[in-house]
Amino acid sequence: NAGVTQTPKFQVLKTGQSMTLQCAQDMNHEYMSWYRQDPGMGLRLIHYSVGAGITDQGEVPNGYNVSRSTTEDFPLRLLSAAPSQTSVYFCASSYSLAANQETQYFGPGTRLLVL
Amino acid sequence: GIQVEQSPPDLILQEGANSTLRCNFSDSVNNLQWFHQNPWGQLINLFYIPSGTKQNGRLSATTVATERYSLLYISSSQTTDSGVYFCAVRMDSSYKLIFGSGTRLLVRP
Repeated sequence: NAGVTQTPKFQVLKTGQSMTLQCAQDMNHEYMSWYRQDPGMGLRLIHYSVGAGITDQGEVPNGYNVSRSTTEDFPLRLLSAAPSQTSVYFCASSYSLAANQETQYFGPGTRLLVL
Repeated sequence: GIQVEQSPPDLILQEGANSTLRCNFSDSVNNLQWFHQNPWGQLINLFYIPSGTKQNGRLSATTVATERYSLLYISSSQTTDSGVYFCAVRMDSSYKLIFGSGTRLLVRP
């Protein structure tokens, strides 16, 4: 298993540009989520999905869109990049939200710089 | 929403020392996990521990759900233990996993 993969690893954008961060998992996990991590801080939840076709907002959803058309993929779209979105983005997945099946597996992260 | 507080924020140890990291949360939870973020940024799950005690090698964790706290014990620390330790919780009524701000640990040789 490749686990949770993210692309790209690094990205530089100009203010106003849009882009999609890719996330995929090959573990047949139902639950997937996106976090951002700013320097010296913890992870803040952007959006999450409890299954294909089902998404919802996390703590900091503004400026981001998600979709979940398949179990494996959970892309994160930045609609119009702003310098405040400079961060490291992590994708995570777990088998489900049932007891003892919630262990989260994280991707390696995408470092995004918005100029 | 639920508040998650970790202490201490920073910790410096000499190799071989023991330490205890604490995670307090403001509401009842049915999911609590501990993670280690290594100096290269990779996040690894250490424990899934909504209640009780678990041990894995030199690491152990205890969650007292009724008193709303969890402890992570690191014994005989090694330089490879350096990094940031996060706890994360999920309330019964929510699908959201919420992270604390972390404890940054530096183990010196």
